[in-house]
Amino acid sequence: KQEVTQIPAALSVPEGENLVLNCSFTDSAIYNLQWFRQDPGKGLTSLLLIQSSQREQTSGRLNASLDKSSGRSTLYIAASQPGDSATYLCAVSEEDFGNEKLTFGTGTRLTIIP
Amino acid sequence: NAGVTQTPKFQVLKTGQSMTLQCAQDMNHEYMSWYRQDPGMGLRLIHYSVGAGITDQGEVPNGYNVSRSTTEDFPLRLLSAAPSQTSVYFCASSYSRVDGAGYTFGSGTRLTVV
Repeated sequence: KQEVTQIPAALSVPEGENLVLNCSFTDSAIYNLQWFRQDPGKGLTSLLLIQSSQREQTSGRLNASLDKSSGRSTLYIAASQPGDSATYLCAVSEEDFGNEKLTFGTGTRLTIIP
Repeated sequence: NAGVTQTPKFQVLKTGQSMTLQCAQDMNHEYMSWYRQDPGMGLRLIHYSVGAGITDQGEVPNGYNVSRSTTEDFPLRLLSAAPSQTSVYFCASSYSRVDGAGYTFGSGTRLTVV
């Protein structure tokens, strides 16, 4: 059974710092890995999607990497801003008896201190 | 705007009542699914559908029914609400099961059962 772990559960950093969020998964036979952002009381917003054949994806100040063999992904946020404060979730997509299954981590709650 | 639309956004039910959470997408996605999000447990899959007329159970299906009569709609029915079903419910859709094309989430329904 796939397990997705995100450590730490919470992180506080001063504004302007660069930071890295971690995601690990136990089964490397995945289709892709997706990073989401969730604001309090809101839905999930997709940030980056990395296909299994890719090593990284970039969007603005965000960069996500994927190392399938070690079962790890990182989300790098450059020059953090208070607006980056949110919970960040990673999810892996894999085949499950011919269908696609998405397994989520429990998230990292990020607070950027002005 | 294209996306996944969930209604209602908030709902309070009494124990034993039934209701339907609505989900609609306008992206012609084959794949639709329902998740519940509980503190400390991440998102867990309730039911999913790989296309019109086809549904299957996820990780936590008890107490819920689904149907998929059209590509666009995927309602979730609570048959007899229980306090344990107090949660935030998210509907998600994806273009295809092949290679995992990434998921789009609705904004969620916050359900309280008293």
